[in-house]
Amino acid sequence: EAGVAQSPRYKIIEKRQSVAFWCNPISGHATLYWYQQILGQGPKLLIQFQNNGVVDDSQLPKDRFSAERLKGVDSTLKIQPAKLEDSAVYLCASSLDWGGTEYGYTFGSGTRLTVV
Amino acid sequence: DQQVKQNSPSLSVQEGRISILNCDYTNSMFDYFLWYKKYPAEGPTFLISISSIKDKNEDGRFTVFLNKSAKHLSLHIVPSQPGDSAVYFCAASGNNDMRFGAGTRLTVKP
Repeated sequence: EAGVAQSPRYKIIEKRQSVAFWCNPISGHATLYWYQQILGQGPKLLIQFQNNGVVDDSQLPKDRFSAERLKGVDSTLKIQPAKLEDSAVYLCASSLDWGGTEYGYTFGSGTRLTVV
Repeated sequence: DQQVKQNSPSLSVQEGRISILNCDYTNSMFDYFLWYKKYPAEGPTFLISISSIKDKNEDGRFTVFLNKSAKHLSLHIVPSQPGDSAVYFCAASGNNDMRFGAGTRLTVKP
């Protein structure tokens, strides 16, 4: 089966600019996650969708970050305006089941964002 | 809040020997504990998991042990191979949430 697709792979922007990331999950996976991984740390959940509804966005900095999942398939994550501390790898993941899972999530390769 | 901790940032072992990666957690409500493996420029890949009601799960060369009283789990790789060199993340899931540790970089020397 095709994996989780993410684009772009790399992005360099200046602070205060805006940026958008795209994710296409595995076909049939109802749950989609966006994670932020800062260098030297583990992935941190930003937002979780179940179909096209938001399940958890408690750790999303809503003053600058937004995400949507139209039609319950692919998703976009936007940062506007970007700050230096947003430099990180943004990972998209999807899963068949919701909540606690023994089968793990399937991650994409991520988008490495550098804010200068 | 760091609910999942991997206190060793790196580990180096000789090919053929055992690799033991450790992880500690603080929240007793987690249902499953998972290990992911990550190569450079790729996303984490699910490796193995264990339910909170078990104390051991084995899959080929990989075995995960869970000690609930100590809130500790470990991943054993036997025998270790150079292709196992990667960053290993411990994760804990439950209540619609998954938390990750900071990762341990494993290097297996030929």
